[in-house]
Amino acid sequence: EVQLVDSGGGLVQPGGSLRLSCAASGFAFNTYSMNWVRQAPGKGLEWVSFISSSSSTIYYADSVKGRFIISRDNAENSLFLQMNSLRAEDTAVYYCARVAPYYYYYTMDVWGQGTTVTVSS
Amino acid sequence: DIQMTQSPSSLSASVGDRVTITCRASQNVSTYLNWYQQKPGKAPKLLIYAASSLQSGVPSRFSGSGSGTDFTLTVSSLQPEDFATYYCQQSYSTLYTFGQGTKLEIK
Repeated sequence: EVQLVDSGGGLVQPGGSLRLSCAASGFAFNTYSMNWVRQAPGKGLEWVSFISSSSSTIYYADSVKGRFIISRDNAENSLFLQMNSLRAEDTAVYYCARVAPYYYYYTMDVWGQGTTVTVSS
Repeated sequence: DIQMTQSPSSLSASVGDRVTITCRASQNVSTYLNWYQQKPGKAPKLLIYAASSLQSGVPSRFSGSGSGTDFTLTVSSLQPEDFATYYCQQSYSTLYTFGQGTKLEIK
């Protein structure tokens, strides 16, 4: 079964750090690009970051650029999001999502269940 | 960045109704337009990719159309399980962007 499992969320103080993980199974992880997407409480979906299959291409939303770092370990079938200098507005459920190939128009076809990050003192 | 605007923001309808949700892009995204369904407390689920291609396993009452900047998602005959929030999303730019969502509620 193709699956993504998100973990690592929790309560952190403003200015703190947190590292999210996404464990992939059931597919050739090393051939797929991946995204992180977040959803603040009661709000819509916001794309956060993209990483290509080889980690050669990385993009960030302006709202997290310079604070968040996306990475992956293809040997361990894992995706990560290192979140630094956290702010209250980073409070959200964070989802990892698989990017489908070009013939599927780069849609996000598989999603993790989400992990909740709360930034509060 | 490409801005995505959905309308309406909310919609009340009855089981069996035909409903249409509209999504407009701030610039041409060709057919790099996807639709997702999200239920409370759950991850988004892909319904339509490439503007009009039905994802495997998704009921045929869902359909998508459009190209360029204007797109629609249609549900031909609403079922109880279809009441949820729907999002459009462009994948033309790697700086992915979503519409603000359309909440479909039971009348």
